[in-house]
Amino acid sequence: AQSVAQPEDQVNVAEGNPLTVKCTYSVSGNPYLFWYVQYPNRGLQFLLKYITGDNLVKGSYGFEAEFNKSQTSFHLKKPSALVSDSALYFCAVSRANAGKSTFGDGTTLTVKP
Amino acid sequence: DGGITQSPKYLFRKEGQNVTLSCEQNLNHDAMYWYRQDPGQGLRLIYYSQIVNDFQKGDIAEGYSVSREKKESFPLTVTSAQKNPTAFYLCASTRGGGPNEKLFFGSGTQLSVL
Repeated sequence: AQSVAQPEDQVNVAEGNPLTVKCTYSVSGNPYLFWYVQYPNRGLQFLLKYITGDNLVKGSYGFEAEFNKSQTSFHLKKPSALVSDSALYFCAVSRANAGKSTFGDGTTLTVKP
Repeated sequence: DGGITQSPKYLFRKEGQNVTLSCEQNLNHDAMYWYRQDPGQGLRLIYYSQIVNDFQKGDIAEGYSVSREKKESFPLTVTSAQKNPTAFYLCASTRGGGPNEKLFFGSGTQLSVL
């Protein structure tokens, strides 16, 4: 069985400050890890993924994520937050089929001007 | 532009009624998926299809049905057997269904019970 935990329901940061949205996972074998973003009343949009290789993955809109195997974590980061980054963020883990990914419960990011 | 189109954006169901949510993609993707999203929860897989004329149940298939008669279309029917249908429904696709592929999502349908 696979699982994902996003320990924070809500993250608040000031514009221009760095942001981190946390994700930990549990899966047997090597994981495929994803971050998606959802704006109100919209579908999810892909941000980035970790498959193998470099532990620091760069994605869309200046986001990056760090894969840490020993801590089974895949935290999403951005050096300087924008108000437009305010949205709901989902972490997901996949093993056999991307569509059968397990999603976390989501973290609402609010960036205040 | 290529993408996934879901319709309608809002749908209301009366007691005992079946309703069908539309999902069309022009990405030429083989695999398509239906998810249910409830507030404060992650996405839960209802049904998926990796090829035309074939589909499998996901984690919460009871009270739902699907068909996949064409590659580009994957409609979801919410039947009267689904006692708690109010949710946001998302359709998605991947090129082939491999574990490392990103999901492409539609904009969703909000289903409410009258």
